Amino acid sequence: GAVVSQHPSWVICKSGTSVKIECRSLDFQATTMFWYRQFPKQSLMLMATSNEGSKATYEQGVEKDKFLINHASLTLSTLTVTSAHPEDSSFYICSARGDRGPRNIQYFGAGTRLSVL
Amino acid sequence: GENVEQHPSTLSVQEGDSAVIKCTYSDSASNYFPWYKQELGKRPQLIIDIRSNVGEKKDQRIAVTLNKTAKHFSLHITETQPEDSAVYFCAANPRGATNKLIFGTGTLLAVQP
Repeated sequence: GAVVSQHPSWVICKSGTSVKIECRSLDFQATTMFWYRQFPKQSLMLMATSNEGSKATYEQGVEKDKFLINHASLTLSTLTVTSAHPEDSSFYICSARGDRGPRNIQYFGAGTRLSVL
Repeated sequence: GENVEQHPSTLSVQEGDSAVIKCTYSDSASNYFPWYKQELGKRPQLIIDIRSNVGEKKDQRIAVTLNKTAKHFSLHITETQPEDSAVYFCAANPRGATNKLIFGTGTLLAVQP
């Protein structure tokens, strides 16, 4: 149980275009989902926390107009990188916190590698 | 805000030896400390966690110790095997939050056969 699916796993796009990444909890309801960015050989940097049906909470320094987050249902959150530029190239990974069991535990998706040309 | 420091950044051990990774945190209100293992190209997976009401927790070859006074916690892996090779991340929940984790910088563990 507690499987989180993230799609796509790899995306290449042109500078100026927008990219949407999906994060789904497959066998549980995720009241809270988290979006992280991970640079090569570096840690997971929390970008934002999204709760179903409400606006996401962004970490300091993360542009909310650049990284649009939508958590429309208890099983789906999306991250849209708008007007992507080469500096947005990174590994984006989501996680979900379930509605049962230990509340702190986060289950991670497999990540999305974004390359902006 | 919470700051989590992790050491060492890389660790190489011989198969069968023990490995220890240490983390310190800054927020005394933190009360949940998980450890995640991330193999190359794969997602982070929770391997063990500890809450502030206990000082030690063990699961087979893996153990975690917590010193609340000093605000540090450690991951101990005994009888290491090549499949233990991965990046390990510690984390802590800032202000005792139930919905947020701040991660350490990661430790690349290489177990030499």
